[in-house]
Amino acid sequence: AQSVAQPEDQVNVAEGNPLTVKCTYSVSGNPYLFWYVQYPNRGLQFLLKYITGDNLVKGSYGFEAEFNKSQTSFHLKKPSALVSDSALYFCAVRASNQAGTALIFGKGTTLSVSS
Amino acid sequence: GAVVSQHPSWVICKSGTSVKIECRSLDFQATTMFWYRQFPKQSLMLMATSNEGSKATYEQGVEKDKFLINHASLTLSTLTVTSAHPEDSSFYICSVVAGAANTQYFGPGTRLTVL
Repeated sequence: AQSVAQPEDQVNVAEGNPLTVKCTYSVSGNPYLFWYVQYPNRGLQFLLKYITGDNLVKGSYGFEAEFNKSQTSFHLKKPSALVSDSALYFCAVRASNQAGTALIFGKGTTLSVSS
Repeated sequence: GAVVSQHPSWVICKSGTSVKIECRSLDFQATTMFWYRQFPKQSLMLMATSNEGSKATYEQGVEKDKFLINHASLTLSTLTVTSAHPEDSSFYICSVVAGAANTQYFGPGTRLTVL
């Protein structure tokens, strides 16, 4: 069965500091991995995805994520956090051979960036 | 990415009434749409997969007679919550699948409150 784990309910960082939001996954076969961000009372916004190729994926708003196959991880990172980055972040996965099926989401991690 | 709209953005109704939520793919013909519900500060729970021109596929535990899904065209899927009760109060979000790796793009969500 496919699953995603986001071990931290909340991550707190100071503005200007680097941030990391953790994600590990379990899937049969090769994974397609995604990060989404959700602001209050809004839908999810796509940030970035890993399909194949370079393990370091760059996405929107300066975010990036590193795919690590041996650790089955896909942590979201940003070198310098902004207060406006404060939101709920979701990691999601699907097996590459299951096109058209819904993504499996982690429980979400609330990022709080203080000024 | 695909642009997805939902209508209404919020709705308040009395217990026992039915509510219809529309999900539109504005710039993409979507043969598949997904419906999720989300409780406060929780992850997205997949309710059903909506397929254009055929019956929706419901996840285990989701009552298909209560949550009616119609995907009559490639740009519109509707979710009707029939005989709504307070426990149906939730945030309902739809998504379409588009592009590389079947990336999911989400609508802005509909906040349903049943009194």
